[in-house]
Amino acid sequence: DAKTTQPPSMDCAEGRAANLPCNHSTISGNEYVYWYRQIHSQGPQYIIHGLKNNETNEMASLIITEDRKSSTLILPHATLRDTAVYYCIVRPRSGGSNYKLTFGKGTLLTVNP
Amino acid sequence: DSGVTQTPKHLITATGQRVTLRCSPRSGDLSVYWYQQSLDQGLQFLIQYYNGEERAKGNILERFSAQQFPDLHSELNLSSLELGDSALYFCASSPGGSGGNEQFFGPGTRLTVL
Repeated sequence: DAKTTQPPSMDCAEGRAANLPCNHSTISGNEYVYWYRQIHSQGPQYIIHGLKNNETNEMASLIITEDRKSSTLILPHATLRDTAVYYCIVRPRSGGSNYKLTFGKGTLLTVNP
Repeated sequence: DSGVTQTPKHLITATGQRVTLRCSPRSGDLSVYWYQQSLDQGLQFLIQYYNGEERAKGNILERFSAQQFPDLHSELNLSSLELGDSALYFCASSPGGSGGNEQFFGPGTRLTVL
């Protein structure tokens, strides 16, 4: 799996957009960018994934640069409940036999009132 | 609620003992994954099963074993427990195959070895 680089921590004011960056300069053509988050000691929660187009769902938006070497997860209106560690992971979506997720240290996002 | 269930929530045991952690995947998911999260190692992949067969192995110790049953639930067996095995153990499931591999995690089992 390609490696990712994320800032260790970020702060955001409640109600504002939280923009979480991720660098994945060695990403391969068949690898997707996945985002998960983990609220304190709970199981990681899937947020969103994308290949090269920008993606949006009810939780977040994912912006992937044209060269696919970096991406940004956007939480449009952060709430206190969004305080969590956010993990950016790159891996193939399907095909092959090993679908494990390789978690790095992630970014601790703290949403402040 | 991800739809993945794990039992028990908490487990306290002594060194040298053996325990079994249980996971029920989301309805229809064929793949089950086990992860370990300790303070010093972070979240680490242990093993994956797909429709009853072992598919991939990660950093799983020889003292640990797993299996997936015909009803697709899975068990992780940890034996000869050591203090360092104290961790959160998560199970995840995904549809597998062409159904995509977004993984959905259970709430975890917190294992404390005294």
